[in-house]
Amino acid sequence: SYVLTQASSISVAPGQTARITCGGENIGSRSVHWYQQKPGQAPVLVVFDDIERPSGIPERFSGSNSGNTATLTISRVEAGDEADFYCQVWDSTTEHRVFGGGTKLTVL
Amino acid sequence: QVQLRESGPGLVKPSETLSVTCSVSGGSLSTYSWSWIRQPPGKGLEWIGYIYDSGTTSYNPSLKSRVTISSDTSKNQFSLRLKYVTPADTAMYYCARDILGAAPRSVIWGQGTMVTVST
Repeated sequence: SYVLTQASSISVAPGQTARITCGGENIGSRSVHWYQQKPGQAPVLVVFDDIERPSGIPERFSGSNSGNTATLTISRVEAGDEADFYCQVWDSTTEHRVFGGGTKLTVL
Repeated sequence: QVQLRESGPGLVKPSETLSVTCSVSGGSLSTYSWSWIRQPPGKGLEWIGYIYDSGTTSYNPSLKSRVTISSDTSKNQFSLRLKYVTPADTAMYYCARDILGAAPRSVIWGQGTMVTVST
């Protein structure tokens, strides 16, 4: 089945840019969604279809997807952005939804 | 505004059946797709399956032999049953409303219900 690979953690200073990657074979040919999960809370969709933002999500959150890597970029990182981030695709071969293992973003 | 609320038993014994229900308010169950997703303590998200059109289902192949998702439109609820549970099924169970398409995604989530499998 399709596998998505994420780094377990990244650390970024406030005001800097965080780039969270999601690796998968030819992932650029798939639509990728990103979820943010803060401690003790349910996940929240922050980017869908590679680059789109749901209403209410700050413009600081953006996505890209090409080749074997999809990327969630968070500009001007704030302390409140600290969370786990998960990428997700649809595997049409097995007809099921696949999540990456998640990346913990720490704001220094 | 659509809201989802999960309810479950809290504790289930090994080999028994886990049953959790999601109550939907502010929207009709007969539209959209509705998913179950779980998260073991300290671990990542795992999609269990979804239901749409009040009866069409799709399940994670790794769980398919043990899972049933059903809906009750009269109560505006949908439910998950997971048979023959083991401690590995201990997790927070979330229900979510999806948007289907080329790549289904979950746009509204409940707060989750924790289920522990233990004697």
